[in-house]
Amino acid sequence: DVKVTQSSRYLVKRTGEKVFLECVQDMDHENMFWYRQDPGLGLRLIYFSYDVKMKEKGDIPEGYSVSREKKERFSLILESASTNQTSMYLCASTRQAEAFFGQGTRLTVV
Amino acid sequence: AQRVTQPEKLLSVFKGAPVELKCNYSYSGSPELFWYVQYSRQRLQLLLRHISRESIKGFTADLNKGETSFHLKKPFAQEEDSAMYYCALSSPSGGYNKLIFGAGTRLAVHP
Repeated sequence: DVKVTQSSRYLVKRTGEKVFLECVQDMDHENMFWYRQDPGLGLRLIYFSYDVKMKEKGDIPEGYSVSREKKERFSLILESASTNQTSMYLCASTRQAEAFFGQGTRLTVV
Repeated sequence: AQRVTQPEKLLSVFKGAPVELKCNYSYSGSPELFWYVQYSRQRLQLLLRHISRESIKGFTADLNKGETSFHLKKPFAQEEDSAMYYCALSSPSGGYNKLIFGAGTRLAVHP
């Protein structure tokens, strides 16, 4: 079974903090993705990575950055958290275009 | 630009009624299309993909390139089908696959 694990289920951070969301997959997938999930907006792609140290912007990269130093780990970084970044964040890795998702991190910025 | 449109935010039906969740896409090449489902308190998971042409949990979806649609259908809805459904498009680009999702449709099946 493919496993995609996000480090936290719930996070509460203050405005202006630097926030790290971690994601680890155990199936040697090359492609990994970060989405945010908001009611009525669906899943919007923030960033994706197709190899170690390689990254591409998605549709809403502003205010975010990513890091992929090892194949199994893909980190999402909020440089200076803002209240409009309160959301559910989903990580996924893909095999033959099929996505396997983590359980999600619900981030609240106060 | 690649886009996936799900026009209905909520679809409410009674048990035993037919269900059709609509999905339209815009993409200039030959896309690969998927339906993902998220049940309450569970992670998002693949329901079916168009290239497999199989029926999963009684659901089917046919790719109509002329209408650029990939609607999800089930002849008789069950209460356990209540969930959030997302249509997704995978577009190969530069050796990797970018995966784009629609806004989702919540299916509520009432007894």
